[in-house]
Amino acid sequence: GAGVSQSPSNKVTEKGKDVELRCDPISGHTALYWYRQSLGQGLEFLIYFQGNSAPDKSGLPSDRFSAERTGGSVSTLTIQRTQQEDSAVYLCASSPRAGGFGNTIYFGEGSWLTVV
Amino acid sequence: RKEVEQDPGPFNVPEGATVAFNCTYSNSASQSFFWYRQDCRKEPKLLMSVYSSGNEDGRFTAQLNRASQYISLLIRDSKLSDSATYLCVVPNAGGTSYGKLTFGQGTILTVHP
Repeated sequence: GAGVSQSPSNKVTEKGKDVELRCDPISGHTALYWYRQSLGQGLEFLIYFQGNSAPDKSGLPSDRFSAERTGGSVSTLTIQRTQQEDSAVYLCASSPRAGGFGNTIYFGEGSWLTVV
Repeated sequence: RKEVEQDPGPFNVPEGATVAFNCTYSNSASQSFFWYRQDCRKEPKLLMSVYSSGNEDGRFTAQLNRASQYISLLIRDSKLSDSATYLCVVPNAGGTSYGKLTFGQGTILTVHP
């Protein structure tokens, strides 16, 4: 597809279960970002990947959160032992390269996670 | 100073009004900036980029003041369709991560008839 694709679009899970959220960036984009947005709140940075460089994980809120990017393309965000406060929309974005200068980042439609 | 801080809003303006939002940032080394628009329950989408002193696109003008470390967004002749949340975006806001993009909390704009 032409845009950033995320799956699942909606996920309801029980507290304590693990979830995996997938992001397929725009072809050729080397930078990939994950953000979290709780209801009525701003975007919270989680992690970003740039090519083969070590990812910037500084925004991951706890060790229950992890992300990987295989082959420089698809990324998976994993949340272990989900808690109710993890309920949010998880937004993935990609750009031709990291750094922002001259780059537009494009967002997917998000994965809406509800932990019950 | 917070890494990125926006006018809290909300702004409620009539159609045709001119409205301006500000966004301050803490890292004087940040080079480029963005304004994104987010509609309710939708993903953010790029509105404008700001690299030098400013940028204009139709009814929208974005300005950058490096000395005071803020960017602004001016909307002229507001339309009902301009109602949305406006997010400013600052790369490397914390000064430690070149590629990290930090979003402001957003300013809610409601344009009424």
